[in-house]
Amino acid sequence: AQSVTQLGSHVSVSEGALVLLRCNYSSSVPPYLFWYVQYPNQGLQLLLKYTSAATLVKGINGFEAEFKKSETSFHLTKPSAHMSDAAEYFCAVRGKAAGNKLTFGGGTRVLVKP
Amino acid sequence: GAGVSQTPSNKVTEKGKYVELRCDPISGHTALYWYRQSLGQGPEFLIYFQGTGAADDSGLPNDRFFAVRPEGSVSTLKIQRTERGDSAVYLCASSLDPNTEAFFGQGTRLTVV
Repeated sequence: AQSVTQLGSHVSVSEGALVLLRCNYSSSVPPYLFWYVQYPNQGLQLLLKYTSAATLVKGINGFEAEFKKSETSFHLTKPSAHMSDAAEYFCAVRGKAAGNKLTFGGGTRVLVKP
Repeated sequence: GAGVSQTPSNKVTEKGKYVELRCDPISGHTALYWYRQSLGQGPEFLIYFQGTGAADDSGLPNDRFFAVRPEGSVSTLKIQRTERGDSAVYLCASSLDPNTEAFFGQGTRLTVV
């Protein structure tokens, strides 16, 4: 069975500061990994995904994530937070078998202070 | 439309009533998924359709929940004898095929009173 743990349900950062959101996964085989963002009253939007190519993955809005197999981690970072980054972020894992069933973490809500 | 459309956006129903939630996937997408997102939690998988058939319904919590996709496009999630614990946002997603990116709709917020 697969599982995802996101450390910290809430993160507060100052505008211009580094954003770091932590994600650890549990999977019997190397999985596909995803980060989604959810703005208030909106659906989930894909930020980036790891599918066993480069371990450092760049996504939209200046976000990137690094897959570290030895640490079973896929942490999300952005060098400089913007007010528009205030949202909830979800890490998700999917096995490589067909079916695209995603297992999500509990989410991290990001607050950006001016 | 360009994206996944879910109707209604909000639904308030009384405990014990029957509800139907609709999902219009992106045109041409063969795979369709339903997830449930309870307050303060991440989405949880309910069911996955490939074409008209339910390929994986392991996430349906009990037999009060049922979903159909009769023509391989629009899907309806049906909940019988609703309970207050069913209150959540129900998300639908579709993808071109089972191995490509899934696009999510905005969800239906169901409140059972």
